[in-house]
Amino acid sequence: AQKVTQAQTEISVVEKEDVTLDCVYETRDTTYYLFWYKQPPSGELVFLIRRNSFDEQNEISGRYSWNFQKSTSSFNFTITASQVVDSAVYFCALSEAPRNQFYFGTGTSLTVIP
Amino acid sequence: EAQVTQNPRYLITVTGKKLTVTCSQNMNHEYMSWYRQDPGLGLRQIYYSMNVEVTDKGDVPEGYKVSRKEKRNFPLILESPSPNQTSLYFCASSFRAAGVSYEQYFGPGTRLTVT
Repeated sequence: AQKVTQAQTEISVVEKEDVTLDCVYETRDTTYYLFWYKQPPSGELVFLIRRNSFDEQNEISGRYSWNFQKSTSSFNFTITASQVVDSAVYFCALSEAPRNQFYFGTGTSLTVIP
Repeated sequence: EAQVTQNPRYLITVTGKKLTVTCSQNMNHEYMSWYRQDPGLGLRQIYYSMNVEVTDKGDVPEGYKVSRKEKRNFPLILESPSPNQTSLYFCASSFRAAGVSYEQYFGPGTRLTVT
């Protein structure tokens, strides 16, 4: 079974629209970590955020915000007022302590149209 | 500059010809890992290492070997490559404390084609 599900394969939005990328995870551990990474067209993987299972506080960083809800096993990522530079593939990932194995979702390809 | 380096960046080889992709990090990270990225499948972990001489299988270890003789290096070895190992490979490293997972820093990727 897929431990991290990103059901949205591709999303297109017009610049300045808000967009939410969904991430649903599956784990039986009480201690785990969730991550989001960005992969722009140039191909590198860029870390965006890390959350541990004991911290359900939502986080905002500029135009980016993350909503972590343990009740629905979701860790969604919202980009406000999207820009062309946000066009990339976004990956959600899970790590279950203490095994430290990482599980990535299949990614969501976001295209921001000018 | 803190970084993870991989070599080569691009490699075309033939079935059965042993190859090694090197990975090195200069951040003194305990944890290192290899992933392959395939269209529609995201990143899948091949092997990971918690520290020197400690390695574990990830989700897709078949056909690959690794070793961790030094903290900074984590080479990926394909003893007898096959076409289904054609993929984009990423090495990553991260700090690790007891039972705590930290963000990984990724190398630039190695695009491997096996004909």
